Amino acid sequence: QKEVEQDPGPLSVPEGAIVSLNCTYSNSAFQYFMWYRQYSRKGPELLMYTYSSGNKEDGRFTAQVDKSSKYISLFIRDSQPSDSATYLCAGGSSASKIIFGSGTRLSIRP
Amino acid sequence: GAVVSQHPSWVICKSGTSVKIECRSLDFQATTMFWYRQFPKQSLMLMATSNEGSKATYEQGVEKDKFLINHASLTLSTLTVTSAHPEDSSFYICSASPGADGHNEQFFGPGTRLTVL
Repeated sequence: QKEVEQDPGPLSVPEGAIVSLNCTYSNSAFQYFMWYRQYSRKGPELLMYTYSSGNKEDGRFTAQVDKSSKYISLFIRDSQPSDSATYLCAGGSSASKIIFGSGTRLSIRP
Repeated sequence: GAVVSQHPSWVICKSGTSVKIECRSLDFQATTMFWYRQFPKQSLMLMATSNEGSKATYEQGVEKDKFLINHASLTLSTLTVTSAHPEDSSFYICSASPGADGHNEQFFGPGTRLTVL
């Protein structure tokens, strides 16, 4: 079992829809979690960083962490074609390296 | 803030030659830098972790003599692919982490595409 599991997609939604991206993890020691966006042939860009459980909102993006179920989510409101990319989730702790999911390919249809 | 640069952005070389890739944190000091490789439509594969002034820690299966890492300062790390072969062709991405005050997030460079002929 991978430490961080992520559905590879592809996920295709119409422009303006709410997108829900999800990951599960197995390492109960994870303390902080991140979402990255990666466009083709580019390096990943940090979107959200959350510490422990709870929600964090930044513009159209909301990250949720539920440590009790080891489930992390990223919601994108009012999705735009420019949001089309691969989204990577990641978890880590002070005692371990960051572990990335395999990424979910998202396509927003105009 | 939190900008990481990589140079070159792409490189083509002949088999058997060595290639050096630079990774710089431009506006923060990076306690730790990481090197990844990524094949098309696949996720990031961590190659090694380096801390300034100490030897890099390589992941299992990564040849330390082939992938030389030097973390010379808190803003610069280099990856040298020695005696490159076509199977080394890949997208190499570095990341840097401030590692201070609980800031453990990694900031990635734009990547370097290596093609070995």
